[in-house]
Amino acid sequence: EAGVAQSPRYKIIEKRQSVAFWCNPISGHATLYWYQQILGQGPKLLIQFQNNGVVDDSQLPKDRFSAERLKGVDSTLKIQPAKLEDSAVYLCASRQTSDAQFFGPGTRLTVL
Amino acid sequence: SQKIEQNSEALNIQEGKTATLTCNYTNYSPAYLQWYRQDPGRGPVFLLLIRENEKEKRKERLKVTFDTTLKQSLFHITASQPADSATYLCALGEAGTALIFGKGTTLSVSS
Repeated sequence: EAGVAQSPRYKIIEKRQSVAFWCNPISGHATLYWYQQILGQGPKLLIQFQNNGVVDDSQLPKDRFSAERLKGVDSTLKIQPAKLEDSAVYLCASRQTSDAQFFGPGTRLTVL
Repeated sequence: SQKIEQNSEALNIQEGKTATLTCNYTNYSPAYLQWYRQDPGRGPVFLLLIRENEKEKRKERLKVTFDTTLKQSLFHITASQPADSATYLCALGEAGTALIFGKGTTLSVSS
């Protein structure tokens, strides 16, 4: 069974630029999460989807971050414009019926 | 305020010994608690889940305990090996809410 796929793996941008990350969850997993993990910290939830509907986006900085999950499968997370403090690893995870979450390898974003 | 604390940032032990990692929380009422392993440059990998009505869970060399009175979970790795070296994250799950992760403890097992 293929795992959660994410791309790109690394991205370096200047502040105020835009960036987008892509996630393909495990086939059949209805729940998809985006997390932000700052160096030395645990993952922090940004947004949770159930199929193509948003369940929780309370911690998503909506003035600059947006996410969508078209057709309830793939998802994209966008930052526009980026700030220095957005430098982090962005993790995508998916879940089926059990409580265990399956994470992708993450995208490491550096904002200069 | 709500807090999740994992005992220390780093734990160094010798091969063959038992590693014990601690996760303490305040002002949460978790329905369950999960432990994940994270290697450098990779996403977390699920290890074990324990529910509030369970005292202990085991999986191979891993054991988790959950004490809702002490508001603490202990994660044990017996007969530790250098391959067990990684960062271990605890995560709380409250009913109807997303997982909340601790900062993690980095375990180093030396041969």
